[in-house]
Amino acid sequence: DIVMTQSPLSLPVTPGEPASISCRSSQSLLHSNGYNYLDWFLQKPGQSPQLLIYWGSNRASGVPDRFSGSGSGTDFTLRISRVEAEDVGVYYCMQALQAPHAFGLGTKLEIK
Amino acid sequence: EVHLVESGGGLVKPGGSLRLSCAAAGFTFNIAWMSWVRQAPGKGLEWVGRIKSKVDGETTDYAAPVKGRFTISRDDSKNTLYLQMDSLKTEDTAIYYCMRLRPRSDYWGQGTPVTVSS
Repeated sequence: DIVMTQSPLSLPVTPGEPASISCRSSQSLLHSNGYNYLDWFLQKPGQSPQLLIYWGSNRASGVPDRFSGSGSGTDFTLRISRVEAEDVGVYYCMQALQAPHAFGLGTKLEIK
Repeated sequence: EVHLVESGGGLVKPGGSLRLSCAAAGFTFNIAWMSWVRQAPGKGLEWVGRIKSKVDGETTDYAAPVKGRFTISRDDSKNTLYLQMDSLKTEDTAIYYCMRLRPRSDYWGQGTPVTVSS
């Protein structure tokens, strides 16, 4: 089974400053079709998770361009270029390559 | 507009059973791979299981903690996903979400709470 390791677990950020979250998988998430099956989600307080980035680097519909995803194989990064107050919540990565699919433990972003 | 609406959650005693439903609308359900994901109180997201589309074999896979106790099925004529939960344990207490997994993990329901307690 693929294990996902996410860091940091807590991320205090000043508004307007950048932020980044790392996600590593125990096996490559690169599919034979050339896509990395790594998704990023944000769960805002009291809400269902929402997709931010799919296939490692593709922004989901309606996601602001201050969010970006990068990486390939086993190492991935979610970056927020300038954090806003509405970005608070818990960020999760998930490997979508093969079952059993697994989430990272989550990174709680809070505003300083 | 896309909707995923879960129902069927509630309070059940340990060892009991419950069936959750997830009604889908606004996308082509019969070609989607669907998943159930749960979240225990104050905890992170935990993947529960997945069912492929009929054209892809309608095969199911489960997380180790629920394998042999939970069963995922679908009725494409009703655009509905199901989660049959048997032999429930206190540690199954969580909010249960349905999610479209393929082609993308972009649609989630609002969740339905399940409490397993005596």
